[in-house]
Amino acid sequence: ILNVEQSPQSLHVQEGDSTNFTCSFPSSNFYALHWYRWETAKSPEALFVMTLNGDEKKKGRISATLNTKEGYSYLYIKGSQPEDSATYLCASVSNFGNEKLTFGTGTRLTIIP
Amino acid sequence: DTGVSQNPRHKITKRGQNVTFRCDPISEHNRLYWYRQTLGQGPEFLTYFQNEAQLEKSRLLSDRFSAERPKGSFSTLEIQRTEQGDSAMYLCASRTTGATLVEQYFGPGTRLTVT
Repeated sequence: ILNVEQSPQSLHVQEGDSTNFTCSFPSSNFYALHWYRWETAKSPEALFVMTLNGDEKKKGRISATLNTKEGYSYLYIKGSQPEDSATYLCASVSNFGNEKLTFGTGTRLTIIP
Repeated sequence: DTGVSQNPRHKITKRGQNVTFRCDPISEHNRLYWYRQTLGQGPEFLTYFQNEAQLEKSRLLSDRFSAERPKGSFSTLEIQRTEQGDSAMYLCASRTTGATLVEQYFGPGTRLTVT
């Protein structure tokens, strides 16, 4: 993996169902992995910052896992609600000094009421 | 503090005109980043500041682009002689350097359309 990749590109999920999506990133020179939620016309909102292999983080119904050895992270949403509709972006950080984010193209999630 | 703000939110300009965007970061954040998102892509890094010093510029930032952060507070991003390819969402983010592994706080972006 040379770039940050996210799949699927878009997803429609029935309200109440659970879902997950994937972020793949270069495992060499890895420092941190960020997840953001970006609703239309709003600012991207940070969900998680993760760095350790095997890390798991949780915020309400949303959780994320990290595998730095194979270069992937999963984001899980349990019991989807209409307010979960957004684009979910992941970004890797490979440089401790500047901590600039290298983003994937995002997964656009639509919750169907 | 209400977070990172950006102005204007939308800008439509004709090709060849100059435009300037402003970003006001969270007040105690000494690091400020600019990113650009074009259609179908994720945001891409353009440049960043530590206080008033511009420490890195992406090769995406042609010589028509200039960014400043006088006094280490707000920042401006100017594009001279705009081209249609400059049409994008320009995002600003800030963060503290008092700790590592912290999130960047984003503004809502300025959407530029060059006609």
